[in-house]
Amino acid sequence: GAVVSQHPSWVICKSGTSVKIECRSLDFQATTMFWYRQFPKQSLMLMATSNEGSKATYEQGVEKDKFLINHASLTLSTLTVTSAHPEDSSFYICSAPGTGGSRKTQYFGPGTRLLVL
Amino acid sequence: DAKTTQPNSMESNEEEPVHLPCNHSTISGTDYIHWYRQLPSQGPEYVIHGLTSNVNNRMASLAIAEDRKSSTLILHRATLRDAAVYYCILRDGGYSSASKIIFGSGTRLSIRP
Repeated sequence: GAVVSQHPSWVICKSGTSVKIECRSLDFQATTMFWYRQFPKQSLMLMATSNEGSKATYEQGVEKDKFLINHASLTLSTLTVTSAHPEDSSFYICSAPGTGGSRKTQYFGPGTRLLVL
Repeated sequence: DAKTTQPNSMESNEEEPVHLPCNHSTISGTDYIHWYRQLPSQGPEYVIHGLTSNVNNRMASLAIAEDRKSSTLILHRATLRDAAVYYCILRDGGYSSASKIIFGSGTRLSIRP
């Protein structure tokens, strides 16, 4: 089946620094990818839709200047958490829709755990 | 998106069947019923989906009520590795690439050895 990877799997950074998280579709192309955030014991919260070749679409309440999204190619989307603060510590997960016969399925990455000190 | 309602948590014994319910009384005619699960510290994974008829795959079965206002995910023989949060999600049958998934709170399934 289709595979979505994320890098890094975990990252620790100091407050005020920026962190970039990569999301790749390994064996299929994705014109759209989705970014989620998940706090402990909570459900996934959709942050934004990443669109290849155009601007990302952010969900209400998500700061687009803080969470920069770049969909550089048909297999890569990046999320940059700028000037990270401890409250940004969370589990970040990306997903991409399948194609062809698998288009009804969303494929999720393994997640990136961010800890901001 | 039409809303789904699931119990917050359920517990079952290993090697026994598990029935996870989901209510979706406002489902529209074009909505598919999808189930995803999230194992601890991992991203969600697809389990099964259906429209009207019951569905079976290697992971689970999906039983859909005749009026489609509810459905049940059936794990035929639970193992410890099935301990996860299970999400019941409705998705419009259009399935455009921009079709996003909004997660509810899901059901946290615990398996007793």
